Amino acid sequence: DVKVTQSSRYLVKRTGEKVFLECVQDMDHENMFWYRQDPGLGLRLIYFSYDVKMKEKGDIPEGYSVSREKKERFSLILESASTNQTSMYLCASMRAYEQYFGPGTRLTVT
Amino acid sequence: GEDVEQSLFLSVREGDSSVINCTYTDSSSTYLYWYKQEPGAGLQLLTYIFSNMDMKQDQRLTVLLNKKDKHLSLRIADTQTGDSAIYFCAERGASGSARQLTFGSGTQLTVLP
Repeated sequence: DVKVTQSSRYLVKRTGEKVFLECVQDMDHENMFWYRQDPGLGLRLIYFSYDVKMKEKGDIPEGYSVSREKKERFSLILESASTNQTSMYLCASMRAYEQYFGPGTRLTVT
Repeated sequence: GEDVEQSLFLSVREGDSSVINCTYTDSSSTYLYWYKQEPGAGLQLLTYIFSNMDMKQDQRLTVLLNKKDKHLSLRIADTQTGDSAIYFCAERGASGSARQLTFGSGTQLTVLP
């Protein structure tokens, strides 16, 4: 079974803090993704990575950056958290044409 | 950009069939997917269909694809209370980055006893 894990299920941060969200997959997948999920908007792609140290912007990259130093780990970084970044963040990894998701991190920025 | 549309809510009685509909705009879609999200959880891949297929059946799930109308549906037979969840339609295009999926906004399915 594919396993995608995320470092926290719930996170509360203050405005202006630097936030790291970590995602790890155990299936040696090359492609990994970060989405945010907001009610009525579905999933929106923030960034994805198709190999170590490689990254591409998704639809809403502003205010975010990513890091992929090892194949199994993909990190999402909020350099200076803002209240409009309060959301559910979902990580996924991809084999062929199947994307597998982690359980999500619900981030609240106060 | 490409778009995927779904209605937001659907209610059915336990034991009835549920049909969740989805339309998309990308004529170059290669794969179309259905994901299920239970409360507080990530997305679980339910099934997918390749764009040269019309139908795919997997136990209680039937996926129908009308490529001409760019319409995808998911039918759940004998719907149970455990099927209550949000269902997302997604498509993978051939243009741009073929690794990306475009998701709809999700349909909240409520199964009434």
